[in-house]
Amino acid sequence: GIQVEQSPPDLILQEGANSTLRCNFSDSVNNLQWFHQNPWGQLINLFYIPSGTKQNGRLSATTVATERYSLLYISSSQTTDSGVYFCAVKAGGGADGLTFGKGTHLIIQP
Amino acid sequence: EAQVTQNPRYLITVTGKKLTVTCSQNMNHEYMSWYRQDPGLGLRQIYYSMNVEVTDKGDVPEGYKVSRKEKRNFPLILESPSPNQTSLYFCASSPVLAGLEYFGPGTRLTVT
Repeated sequence: GIQVEQSPPDLILQEGANSTLRCNFSDSVNNLQWFHQNPWGQLINLFYIPSGTKQNGRLSATTVATERYSLLYISSSQTTDSGVYFCAVKAGGGADGLTFGKGTHLIIQP
Repeated sequence: EAQVTQNPRYLITVTGKKLTVTCSQNMNHEYMSWYRQDPGLGLRQIYYSMNVEVTDKGDVPEGYKVSRKEKRNFPLILESPSPNQTSLYFCASSPVLAGLEYFGPGTRLTVT
């Protein structure tokens, strides 16, 4: 099946810093989503981005489908940005569910 | 408000006592699925459904059953829960197979 690798696995930053999270995938995809899992365990949808670039406030994402990677940018980090960020993909043609990466654990210190 | 709901949100039960976790979506989505999340193993799909009366196994279906009698509901049934089914469970739905998947708030299950 499709493989998803996220980097870095852990990231500790000071409030106000910018960060870039990366997601590499091993095959062509027709769905790519970025999630933030908050301390209560809820998965918050950030972006649905199988290709192209999107922005939502301080967050933006870019997927280069031909090169099989996606980037999530967080600018001016706040402590509420802490948590685990997951990239999840679905390969073309199948009915299988999303394949999740192992996540990036982000800690924003005040 | 468009949403996926799950109940209960938290459940502690004993080995062998049948339980059902309900999932409902109000977006008229055709595709629904169940995932479990475990430390070190990430999120894995249990079962999915492409429409009413159409269900299929995901990556980790053993010990679970599902049904899809109505488009909006997709309950997860554990007929004889065991401690290795202690996990965080998520229901999800999407309008089409490759569409944006909307996740429910999660159900934290502990089986003792």
